[in-house]
Amino acid sequence: DGGITQSPKYLFRKEGQNVTLSCEQNLNHDAMYWYRQDPGQGLRLIYYSQIVNDFQKGDIAEGYSVSREKKESFPLTVTSAQKNPTAFYLCASSMSDGNYGYTFGSGTRLTVV
Amino acid sequence: RKEVEQDPGPFNVPEGATVAFNCTYSNSASQSFFWYRQDCRKEPKLLMSVYSSGNEDGRFTAQLNRASQYISLLIRDSKLSDSATYLCVVNNNNDMRFGAGTRLTVKP
Repeated sequence: DGGITQSPKYLFRKEGQNVTLSCEQNLNHDAMYWYRQDPGQGLRLIYYSQIVNDFQKGDIAEGYSVSREKKESFPLTVTSAQKNPTAFYLCASSMSDGNYGYTFGSGTRLTVV
Repeated sequence: RKEVEQDPGPFNVPEGATVAFNCTYSNSASQSFFWYRQDCRKEPKLLMSVYSSGNEDGRFTAQLNRASQYISLLIRDSKLSDSATYLCVVNNNNDMRFGAGTRLTVKP
């Protein structure tokens, strides 16, 4: 079955560490996205990529980095510069125009300890 | 002004009730519209797309009014399993904007 897979499901990070969240899709979607969701709040866009080897900052890119070396993969690194990284991170993918909506992965819950 | 605004909720309704959610958006160039459902601590899942002519899927009816920049979702005969947060989503050339969501609890 086609889908989008995020790992790990839960991640604990110490202060000052960088961590990388994995996102893989086999839907043959061109576009991929990373969102952050905080309790009781809507989704906020961190980064997105429309094609391989290209990506753009979203609304809250500071403290995060991404790469898009393969169409199927769009990993997100949460760096030590991100001051408040505890959140629920969602990866999504879509066809190029978005008119069929996004498909989301099951999310990674990151906690700073 | 937020790009997508929804009823803040929460909505607490008895089983069998009809409940309506509203959403307004600010970008008149938006091209496509969706309702997503998100269960607690899970990812959002596409419930239905919203078309100008209105569309229905079982107990769910979605309406779009482009002139007023307004979207609605009607749920008839509410079930306990409808309890979730409903997200209004607006797309402009693959720039998706999400409302903060409206929480629905259906009680026995």
